Amino acid sequence: EVQLVESGGSLVQPGGSLKLSCVASGFTFSNYWMDWVRQTPGKSLEWIGEINTDGSKTNYAPSIKDRFTISRDNAKSTLYLQMSNVKSDDTAIYYCLQFAYWGQGTLVTVSS
Amino acid sequence: DVVLTQTPVSLSVTLGDQASISCRSSQSLEYSDGYTYLEWYLQKPGQSPQLLIYEVSNRFSGVPDRFIGSGSGTDFTLKISRVEPEDLGVYYCFQATHDPNTFGAGTKLELK
Repeated sequence: EVQLVESGGSLVQPGGSLKLSCVASGFTFSNYWMDWVRQTPGKSLEWIGEINTDGSKTNYAPSIKDRFTISRDNAKSTLYLQMSNVKSDDTAIYYCLQFAYWGQGTLVTVSS
Repeated sequence: DVVLTQTPVSLSVTLGDQASISCRSSQSLEYSDGYTYLEWYLQKPGQSPQLLIYEVSNRFSGVPDRFIGSGSGTDFTLKISRVEPEDLGVYYCFQATHDPNTFGAGTKLELK
């Protein structure tokens, strides 16, 4: 059974940094592109970015480019989202996904 | 960025009715490889989104055949024949043809 478990969400101050993790199981992690998507309190979904199988290529949404970095550790079957210089607009539930499979999400709240 | 416009914003139905949701794209979603990367998701209350349809009309594993996706180019439709209680929630279209990938704003399916 495919499972994706996110962690690392918390309350962070504007301008701060946070690193989210997503541990994958039930499939060969190194064979799949992985994505991050977020859902804001207003409930809309926003695609954040993706990473290829070996981590050599990433694509990002303009709203987070140069502030967020997606990486992966295939040996640990883990996907990461490094968030820097966070803003209040970054408050959201963050999901990792592999095609049809989504995690349960982790909540990031940006507030002073 | 590609804008996906979903209509209606909300849809009230009686159980057993047919429901139809439109998703119109600001650009053609046909990729250079000939595929059209348009997907439909359903998010039930308190849950992560779940994939229903990929590449316009392909039902994901386990999705009932009452869900039918169609369309091409910039104009796409999700039809649900004989709505059942477990079909209620918010439906999103999503395009992965162009970077950045984008979601529609969602259509809430609720009981009349």
